[in-house]
Amino acid sequence: DGGITQSPKYLFRKEGQNVTLSCEQNLNHDAMYWYRQDPGQGLRLIYYSQIVNDFQKGDIAEGYSVSREKKESFPLTVTSAQKNPTAFYLCASSTETQGAAREAFFGQGTRLTVV
Amino acid sequence: DAKTTQPNSMESNEEEPVHLPCNHSTISGTDYIHWYRQLPSQGPEYVIHGLTSNVNNRMASLAIAEDRKSSTLILHRATLRDAAVYYCILRRFGNEKLTFGTGTRLTIIP
Repeated sequence: DGGITQSPKYLFRKEGQNVTLSCEQNLNHDAMYWYRQDPGQGLRLIYYSQIVNDFQKGDIAEGYSVSREKKESFPLTVTSAQKNPTAFYLCASSTETQGAAREAFFGQGTRLTVV
Repeated sequence: DAKTTQPNSMESNEEEPVHLPCNHSTISGTDYIHWYRQLPSQGPEYVIHGLTSNVNNRMASLAIAEDRKSSTLILHRATLRDAAVYYCILRRFGNEKLTFGTGTRLTIIP
């Protein structure tokens, strides 16, 4: 079945370590997104990519990095520079063609806990 | 980017209709109105979207004001499974940035 897969569902890391969250989609979507969600809060955009080998910063990009080497994959690295990395991370994708008139699809999220 | 304003929370009785409002007074002509909902510990799911005309699908209806400065998501008969956070967002044609606000937390009373 087509969809977006985020892995792992739960992730624990020690403070000061970089960690990479996986996001894969088989929907043939051009646009992909990463969001952060803190308890009781809405989604905040970290990075987004409209096409392979190109991406833009969202509203809270500091301390994060991404790559888009393949259309299907958009991994997010949470670096040691991110001051408060513990959060729920969500990945989404959407078709580029008339994207505003198309729905976005979300993964089930990765809950990152830094201790 | 145009902003949306939603009430923080709403309650509704089970099996009754629910009207979730959204204000978007700075909407532009190329902004589509989208609604998503998020169940606890899950990713958001698409509900409905529209541009100017009212829209219906199997999940809900979207009523858009004539001046497009507000819209209302209508759940015709609420069930306990409709308890979620509902997000109203604007997507601008030609701009792939997808930004969410804080949404409305809908509680369904049995």
